[in-house]
Amino acid sequence: DQQVKQNSPSLSVQEGRISILNCDYTNSMFDYFLWYKKYPAEGPTFLISISSIKDKNEDGRFTVFLNKSAKHLSLHIVPSQPGDSAVYFCAASGNSGAGSYQLTFGKGTKLSVIP
Amino acid sequence: KAGVTQTPRYLIKTRGQQVTLSCSPISGHRSVSWYQQTPGQGLQFLFEYFSETQRNKGNFPGRFSGRQFSNSRSEMNVSTLELGDSALYLCASSLIGGGGAEAFFGQGTRLTVV
Repeated sequence: DQQVKQNSPSLSVQEGRISILNCDYTNSMFDYFLWYKKYPAEGPTFLISISSIKDKNEDGRFTVFLNKSAKHLSLHIVPSQPGDSAVYFCAASGNSGAGSYQLTFGKGTKLSVIP
Repeated sequence: KAGVTQTPRYLIKTRGQQVTLSCSPISGHRSVSWYQQTPGQGLQFLFEYFSETQRNKGNFPGRFSGRQFSNSRSEMNVSTLELGDSALYLCASSLIGGGGAEAFFGQGTRLTVV
């Protein structure tokens, strides 16, 4: 049972336009949501996170929106740049006990930004 | 500041063998987590260590084990390797491993079982 879902395996966007990556989750006990970016042959790199008590968090060109009632979050990249081309993973975490927060990942969305 | 270092980067093993992978976290980080990435299943949590103690474990068979040393370096071991264990194994470190805490990933070890 996949608790974090990214339903779009790929997305193509023109340079300068907005990229919107979507993520749905099923576990209402998740209390943090994170986005990671991954280039081939590298480990994932943290981009931005949001606590479940917020509905928006912004960092430069990246904004994450959280809709708890719909169990949905999205990552907006504005403006999109060719260097943003990578696989983006949505992840969620919740207290698994003893202070441990494991990350549950979606399967990723491959973003291609076309110059 | 040095990042998370995983060794080796690539490994080829035969079915039935065992393998040990190593992870050196960022200096000062006490939490180390391991993940398995496969094309079909994506990134899946294996286990987390904090101050030499396993704090959490994912849904993997007992063939997968790990440990953490007093300097926070961690190793994971897979015994009796199966073809399905072929994957990218990623290690992530964070200061204390809490909630939205940023986890820093290494480049991973690509394990191929033949």
